[in-house]
Order: sequence, then structure tokens, then C-alpha cells
Amino acid sequence: ETGVTQTPRHLVMGMTNKKSLKCEQHLGHNAMYWYKQSAKKPLELMFVYNFKEQTENNSVPSRFSPECPNSSHLFLHLHTLQPEDSALYLCASSQEGGAGNTIYFGEGSWLTVV
Amino acid sequence: AQKVTQAQTEISVVEKEDVTLDCVYETRDTTYYLFWYKQPPSGELVFLIRRNSFDEQNEISGRYSWNFQKSTSSFNFTITASQVVDSAVYFCALSEDDYKLSFGAGTTVTVRA
Repeated sequence: ETGVTQTPRHLVMGMTNKKSLKCEQHLGHNAMYWYKQSAKKPLELMFVYNFKEQTENNSVPSRFSPECPNSSHLFLHLHTLQPEDSALYLCASSQEGGAGNTIYFGEGSWLTVV
Repeated sequence: AQKVTQAQTEISVVEKEDVTLDCVYETRDTTYYLFWYKQPPSGELVFLIRRNSFDEQNEISGRYSWNFQKSTSSFNFTITASQVVDSAVYFCALSEDDYKLSFGAGTTVTVRA
């Protein structure tokens, strides 16, 4: 069983919908991340939370809104997305948000925007 | 500029063959960390190895081995006696002075029975 679980695994949404991706880590880590993986593009870091505080927003459009209520849970709220936002969204965690910490990933949420 | 280059886009081998995945990185830091991850079709990125810049010893874990050479800024990965279950996309990544991981574009390995 993976230490980082994501739900839903697959999501299809219209451009006017509001949906959320959920992530939970069972590793006792203090840092959590959202990454985006599009076809034929390198993995892109979106957001970082360290001890529940957002420490990185990598110029992500406001239609993506993260929420980190505690060190174990991370959400990505989605609103008025575009078809080009279709991608695999990966949640991850690490012991802390410092250099060299091993980052452990979940299985991802496959998002399709129609 | 690309910090991590994985020049091989796809590699196809027959079962039991060895396969070596190349990774070349670029950094000005003296302290950095290198990683390899495996991504099977299910999507999850599975952590394989972490190596810091001060440890140039090669490492072997079962059928996996890694060759770290600072002189050529390379961190290559070899799968010995490949199996069908090794079919996946493999990513090399670099961590410098912060928590960000710079990933290479990935190498797709297909092992045919």
C-alpha cells in the first residue's frame, strides 16, 4: 500500500465545473506537494506546503487553488479549467521541505477537462 | 536551461538483456542530490535511489545498479537481466539548494518477453 493516497484516481469535468482532488499521506511527513505531468512535458512543480504553510506557488493560474488543513492532507480545488489542464496530477510528501529530502509520490489523479 | 538531460527517449530490449539509462545533470552547487524514480503505467512515481554529491560510490540493489561520476556530471542507471515488470518510464532528478526537484524528460523502457 502506498504511503501517499490520492482520490479520485480518474476525473472528467466540464470547463464550468468545480471539483477537488484529495491527497493524504500516512508517512508522518511535514511537507506536501502538487506536481503536474502533461503529455510530453517534464514534471512541473505547482505548490509546496511545509508545516501547513504554503512556501511555493510556481506561477500557477488561480483556477487551481490548494488547501492544506494539516500536515497529512492536501487538496487541489479546481474551477473553470481549460482543456489544456488535462493531465496527471501527482501529490507527494517529504519529511521536510528542505534540500535533498526524498519526495514520495502518490499514484496520481488523471484529470480530463472536456 | 535543462538541468537534467535524459537523452534516450525510448529503449526496447528483450527479457534478460541489460539496459543502461543515461542521466546528465548541470549544477553550480557543490552540495546536491540525485534521484531516480520509476513510473509504471499506473502513474505512481516510485522512488528508487537518492545519492548526495559527496558520495561517489556506485551502488547495487538487486538487479539495479547506479554509476555516479562527478567528473562527467552523470548518474547512470543499469537494470541487469531485465524483466517484463521493469517496463516503465524512468526519471532522473536533481535537487539543489532547496526542496525543488528538477526532473529529466524520462526514458521509456519496454522489456519484451
